[in-house]
Amino acid sequence: GAGVSQSPSNKVTEKGKDVELRCDPISGHTALYWYRQSLGQGLEFLIYFQGNSAPDKSGLPSDRFSAERTGGSVSTLTIQRTQQEDSAVYLCASSFPPQRSSTDTQYFGPGTRLTVL
Amino acid sequence: AQTVTQSQPEMSVQEAETVTLSCTYDTSESNYYLFWYKQPPSRQMILVIRQEAYKQQNATENRFSVNFQKAAKSFSLKISDSQLGDTAMYFCAFMNSNSGYALNFGKGTSLLVTP
Repeated sequence: GAGVSQSPSNKVTEKGKDVELRCDPISGHTALYWYRQSLGQGLEFLIYFQGNSAPDKSGLPSDRFSAERTGGSVSTLTIQRTQQEDSAVYLCASSFPPQRSSTDTQYFGPGTRLTVL
Repeated sequence: AQTVTQSQPEMSVQEAETVTLSCTYDTSESNYYLFWYKQPPSRQMILVIRQEAYKQQNATENRFSVNFQKAAKSFSLKISDSQLGDTAMYFCAFMNSNSGYALNFGKGTSLLVTP
C-alpha cells in the first residue's frame, strides 16, 4: 500500500515568512509523529498525535511552531516567522497506536527539506 | 533523559564483507525498545531491525543482526555480505516503553560499501 507522503519535497523561503508542511500518513495509522533533522542537532522529536489530539508537544522548539491534525489523517506543521535556524529536513512518521506494554514500528515519509534564506 | 551514542561517524566496507556498527545508550529504564534505521540519499528512513529490551535473544533480519548487551547498554548492528545498496546513514534509536512513541536517535554512522 501507499507509504507516508509529505509535501512539498523542498521548500525555500525568506526569513520572516510563514510555511506549512504537510504529512499524509499510512491509511489506518492513528499515531503520527513529526521529527526534525538538522546538521547541528541531529534528529529531534517534535510532536506526537494520537488521532487529532497531541498528547505531547514538548519537542516543539518555540511558540513559532504549531501543528494540527484533522480527521485523524493529514497533519500540517506550521512555522511562523521563519528563522535561518529553522532550516532542516522535517520528517513525518506514522504507526498504529502505541500501547503502554508494546510499540509499533514507525514508518517515515521522505521528508521536507526547508531552507530559510 | 536518554542518550544514544554512535561513536563511528563514518565507516567503509567492501562488498560481500561484514561490518559492525556500534551504538551505546544511557537509560535508567528497564523496559524499552531499540531500533536501527537506515537513511539512504533519498532521505526516507527505513527500519532495519528492532529489539525489545525484555528479550534476551538477539534480533535477526536476513543479513542484519544485532548484538544486544543489556548490562553494557550496547546495541551493535552487524551487516553480513554487504551490498552496494547498503550504502546509507544508519541511525540507532531508543524508545522508552513508558511513552511508547518518541524515538531518541543517535547522530548516525555513514556507511559506504565499495565494490
